Amino acid sequence: DAGVIQSPRHEVTEMGQEVTLRCKPISGHNSLFWYRQTMMRGLELLIYFNNNVPIDDSGMPEDRFSAKMPNASFSTLKIQPSEPRDSAVYFCASIFLQAANTEAFFGQGTRLTVV
Amino acid sequence: AQSVTQLGSHVSVSEGALVLLRCNYSSSVPPYLFWYVQYPNQGLQLLLKYTTGATLVKGINGFEAEFKKSETSFHLTKPSAHMSDAAEYFCAAFSYQGAQKLVFGQGTRLTINP
Repeated sequence: DAGVIQSPRHEVTEMGQEVTLRCKPISGHNSLFWYRQTMMRGLELLIYFNNNVPIDDSGMPEDRFSAKMPNASFSTLKIQPSEPRDSAVYFCASIFLQAANTEAFFGQGTRLTVV
Repeated sequence: AQSVTQLGSHVSVSEGALVLLRCNYSSSVPPYLFWYVQYPNQGLQLLLKYTTGATLVKGINGFEAEFKKSETSFHLTKPSAHMSDAAEYFCAAFSYQGAQKLVFGQGTRLTINP
C-alpha cells in the first residue's frame, strides 16, 4: 500500500478563494482524521470520521471549513472562502480501529498558503 | 475530556547524552499512547506505542517509553542522543472507549548539540 496520500502537497491561493484538500486513506482503514498544524497551536484535530460518518467536528474552526467522506477511500477538506490565517499544514491520518493494534498513519501533508 | 500535555516545548541535549521527553495524559480510562516523530517538511512517523501488556515499550531508533498509570505518564527516553534525533516529537493518546479520537500534545522540539 502506498500509505495515506494527500494532494496537493503545496497550495498557494488568494484570500477569498475556495480551497479543497484531498486525502486517500490506507485501504481497509475505517477511521480518518484531519489535523491542522501551525507554529502557534501545534497539531489541532479538526474532524474525524468512523466508517465514513463524521463523528466529531468540534475542532473545525468556522463554518468556512467543511469536510466530507463520500466513501471509504476518499475525503476532502474544503475552505470557502479562504483567509490568510488559514495558512498551515493540513494532515490527514487513517487508522484501522482494532483493539491493541491501533496505529495512525499520516500523509505527507498539504502546505496551504493564503495570500 | 481527554488531553495530552508535553512538558517543555524545546529540549536541548548534547550528543551522547540521555534524552528525556515528558508526556502526561488526562483521561478517565487509560488510553492507548503513542510517540510520533516529525522531521522537517515531513509527516508524522510512529516511534512506538503502548496499548496493552508490558508497560515498557521499545520503538525505532533506540527510543523507549514507559507507561505509568499511577503517574498518568508516558515519557520517552533514549540513552544516548544522536545528531539525527533532532526533530519534533509528539505524544498522542487514543481512547478506544467512548469518543474514539486521537489527541496530540503540543510537541517538543529536540535539538542535539555537537
